Amino acid sequence: DIQMTQSPSSLSASVGDRVTITCQATQDINNNLNWYQQKPGEAPQVLIFDASNLEAGVPSRFSGSGSGIDFTFTISGLEAEDTGTYYCQQFDDPPYTFGQGTKLEIK
Amino acid sequence: VHLVESGGGLVQPGGSLRLSCAVSGLSFSSHSMNWVRQVPGRGLEWISYISSGSTTIYYSDSVKGRFTISRDNADNSLYLQMNSLRAEDTAVYYCARERYTYGIDYWGRGTLVTVAS
Repeated sequence: DIQMTQSPSSLSASVGDRVTITCQATQDINNNLNWYQQKPGEAPQVLIFDASNLEAGVPSRFSGSGSGIDFTFTISGLEAEDTGTYYCQQFDDPPYTFGQGTKLEIK
Repeated sequence: VHLVESGGGLVQPGGSLRLSCAVSGLSFSSHSMNWVRQVPGRGLEWISYISSGSTTIYYSDSVKGRFTISRDNADNSLYLQMNSLRAEDTAVYYCARERYTYGIDYWGRGTLVTVAS
């Protein structure tokens, strides 16, 4: 099974900051990785699909990059509404594993 | 756009439940579907996948042999039959649609399953 190592597990940042989250797979997953945001009590929402494609309607301050094994998710210009937990997920090979999640708090 | 799960509730260990996911307002029959669960306060766990025509099905090791995924394209519905339930199956269960080869694009709001005596 492919394991996804996501870091950090939590972070605290200020409005306007640049925030970076990484995910590393245990084997090549091509670009078959999505990033999701989940707010408390809500279902996850896709922000980035296929590693680097911005989902329609998602603000352009969110971005993704990487391929193969190493992936990065960035928020450029953090806003207060960005608080929540962020997950990566690989869908290259079942089981379609998620990263452990990154809980983002606004200072 | 709606994916609405139902069928959750309290069940005793060893018992069974059948979850349903009704899909409306978006295409269903040509899309693969997934079930993902989340223990309250914990991370997301993918548990099952079914292709659009039900020809390909996958399960996580944690539910293989106990859970069965199925779908009815005529009724725009997805199902998860859960047998031999354990305390560790307690979680919110989400249905989620895949956008062709691009992973999950839509999620339901989830239904809570509690396995306890």
